Amino acid sequence: KAGVTQTPRYLIKTRGQQVTLSCSPISGHRSVSWYQQTPGQGLQFLFEYFSETQRNKGNFPGRFSGRQFSNSRSEMNVSTLELGDSALYLCASSLAGDRETQYFGPGTRLLVL
Amino acid sequence: AQTVTQSQPEMSVQEAETVTLSCTYDTSESDYYLFWYKQPPSRQMILVIRQEAYKQQNATENRFSVNFQKAAKSFSLKISDSQLGDAAMYFCAYQEGGSEKLVFGKGTKLTVNP
Repeated sequence: KAGVTQTPRYLIKTRGQQVTLSCSPISGHRSVSWYQQTPGQGLQFLFEYFSETQRNKGNFPGRFSGRQFSNSRSEMNVSTLELGDSALYLCASSLAGDRETQYFGPGTRLLVL
Repeated sequence: AQTVTQSQPEMSVQEAETVTLSCTYDTSESDYYLFWYKQPPSRQMILVIRQEAYKQQNATENRFSVNFQKAAKSFSLKISDSQLGDAAMYFCAYQEGGSEKLVFGKGTKLTVNP
């Protein structure tokens, strides 16, 4: 079975721009979660989607948003980029959420200049 | 809010030796799960081992085992017969039952010396 895939793998943007990251979960997985990883703050939970509905959201500003499609693929969007948004964005999928182990993708590295 | 603490920013071990990574967590919940994830230089997060809080038996996966002390809220990872490929950042993570959210510790960087 193919693992979690994320595109693009690397991205460079400038302040004020917006960006969309994509995540394709493992086949059959219906829950997708997003995490931000930075050297200063470590790994932080952004949000989780299940069956196209956001079930949980972390403590991030409204500039961070996401959605999930009927095929379980998910996208996250960051508007009005700030320098502090430079990070590795990790996507994880699980079968049905709740007590299911999450499997991570390779991440998208975003650099904001 | 739940917190996860890894008190060892860096550890090193000789190849074929055993090393133990420490993790403590804080929660008032009784239904939760604990994980160790490994992140090599490629940055891919790889599941190492999972422990359900309701299980008294410590989880094991080949050379990896945990020492789960529920009352002490401690969850350490023991790596036996260390291999060069074990070198990575290791993250301890907590997940509350009924939630998909993982709360991670700051990580321990493990170096394996030949």
